[in-house]
Amino acid sequence: DTGVSQDPRHKITKRGQNVTFRCDPISEHNRLYWYRQTLGQGPEFLTYFQNEAQLEKSRLLSDRFSAERPKGSFSTLEIQRTEQGDSAMYLCASSPTGWGGNTIYFGEGSWLTVV
Amino acid sequence: DAKTTQPNSMESNEEEPVHLPCNHSTISGTDYIHWYRQLPSQGPEYVIHGLTSNVNNRMASLAIAEDRKSSTLILHRATLRDAAVYYCILRGDSGGGADGLTFGKGTHLIIQP
Repeated sequence: DTGVSQDPRHKITKRGQNVTFRCDPISEHNRLYWYRQTLGQGPEFLTYFQNEAQLEKSRLLSDRFSAERPKGSFSTLEIQRTEQGDSAMYLCASSPTGWGGNTIYFGEGSWLTVV
Repeated sequence: DAKTTQPNSMESNEEEPVHLPCNHSTISGTDYIHWYRQLPSQGPEYVIHGLTSNVNNRMASLAIAEDRKSSTLILHRATLRDAAVYYCILRGDSGGGADGLTFGKGTHLIIQP
């Protein structure tokens, strides 16, 4: 399968611990996006990369969140000192370019539960 | 803020056509209209997109109003597997900013057997 893959699919962590999610986009897709989704809501934009450059971060992305895409391929999203409010599904998506006519492909998401 | 307006929920019967409406009165000339759907516990799945003309693919049809201020996603023969939240989204071509997708709450489609 050559779709967007995310790992781990589920993570339960204690409050205060750090967690890291990995995303492998579709090969040769320059754009990579991170979203967060809580129950009953649509996905909310967090940040995106054009190759290895992080071009925009949402105000939702507090200082405890950091995302990287070191070689313009896979990306990681780290949450430090997790809080219960961080419990959500974290979605990764990729797209060939930023052109409005391109499709954005989503992964299955990584569920985070902070206890 | 989401730039589209959709009904919160709709209900239809299996094997009947479904028309999901979307209003986007502030659409700009370069905005593409995208539809995605999300099944429970899964990531959003691309359905269809268009700019000005009506579009058809194996999943659905997209009817775009002449003034582009509204559109309708048409599922020709709904099945139980089509029960999902459907999002109508505008994707700009500005080349800058968060040109990903800005999701609203979507329409929760219920299919009755």
